[in-house]
Formats: sequence, structure tokens, C-alpha cells
Amino acid sequence: DGGITQSPKYLFRKEGQNVTLSCEQNLNHDAMYWYRQDPGQGLRLIYYSQIVNDFQKGDIAEGYSVSREKKESFPLTVTSAQKNPTAFYLCASSLNRVAHSNQPQHFGDGTRLSIL
Amino acid sequence: AQTVTQSQPEMSVQEAETVTLSCTYDTSESDYYLFWYKQPPSRQMILVIRQEAYKQQNATENRFSVNFQKAAKSFSLKISDSQLGDAAMYFCAYRTAYNAGNMLTFGGGTRLMVKP
Repeated sequence: DGGITQSPKYLFRKEGQNVTLSCEQNLNHDAMYWYRQDPGQGLRLIYYSQIVNDFQKGDIAEGYSVSREKKESFPLTVTSAQKNPTAFYLCASSLNRVAHSNQPQHFGDGTRLSIL
Repeated sequence: AQTVTQSQPEMSVQEAETVTLSCTYDTSESDYYLFWYKQPPSRQMILVIRQEAYKQQNATENRFSVNFQKAAKSFSLKISDSQLGDAAMYFCAYRTAYNAGNMLTFGGGTRLMVKP
């Protein structure tokens, strides 16, 4: 079955350490996204990528970095510059790169990141 | 920038009854898409229903329907014959139709509790 796989499900980070969250999709989607969700709140966009080797900052990109070397993969690195990284991280993808399309985003199961 | 507001942090409904979740949004655009996503305790985001702004007819998906009032910038979700499995966080989301980025702007969410 096609879908989005995020790993690990739970991740712990020490102070001053970078960690990378994995996101892989086999839906042949062009666009991929990373969101952050804090307890009791909605999703905020960190980064997005519309095509391979291209990505743009979202609303809260500071302290995060991404790469898009393959269509299927969009890893997110939480750097030591992110002072409050404890949150739930969701990866999503969508089919269209064309405006005026109602294609929804499909989501992975998320990664919960905690600080030790 | 667009904003999405869900004014009800929590709602409860008796099993088999009907409940309506509110969503308002602010935009200067005339063409856009609106979505309702469900996030159960498993934290996966599941698409419930979508609406194109250019369509006057309200979208329906089985027990789920929307009341889309474009002039009032309102997009409420009605759940009929509520079931225990409907208990979840519900997020309203907005997407512009004017670029290919397909980025979503989410509301803060409404937690729906279903009483047996």
C-alpha cells in the first residue's frame, strides 16, 4: 500500500545535539511538507518542497533544516539552534504542483521529539 | 496572510446525535479550498471533507457535511449520527488556489468528545 512513513516514532535529543527525522513516501507525490504541532494546538509549517532539490521556508523555519535529494524523501534536521524542539512533527505530501487543484495533503503518523 | 479560527476548543455530543463544529477564515482571495481534517488519539491526520470555494453546493461525505458561507467566510462541519469513533481533534484548513505550493493554513483545532 502507498503511504508516508515517518521514523522514528519517538526520538530523544540531548542539549546541543542535532537530530534528523525521516520522512519517506511512495505515493509519487511531487510536494512534501513538515509541520510542527504543540500540545492542544494546530499545525504550523516548518518547510516545504515542491520538487527535488528545491525547498522553501515555512512560518517557523528557524532552527530547522531540510534536504530534498530524492522525490521520495524529505528529512528534517532539528538543530541545536532550535531552543524549544519538544513537539510532535508531522510530514505530509501532495500530488499536485498545479494551482487550482483540490488535491489534499496526505500525512504520516508523526514523530514525537523530546529533550532529555 | 490568511488566518483560520476555530472558536470552540472543545465540544461534546451524545452518541447518535448531531454536532456542528465552527470554522471561520480571513482572506482577500476569491478562489481557494477548505478542508476538515480529523486527528484521533493515534495522532494521524485524516482528511474528512473538502470544499472548493467556487462551488455553491455544500460538500457531503456520508455522515459528514459542511455549511459553506462564502460571504461570511464560514465553513462549519456537521457530523450526523455521531459515533464513538468520531471522538478526535478536528482541524479546519485553508489553501489558496493561486499558487502551486498547496500549503495549508490550519486552525487551532476543536476537541470533540462523544458520550455513550
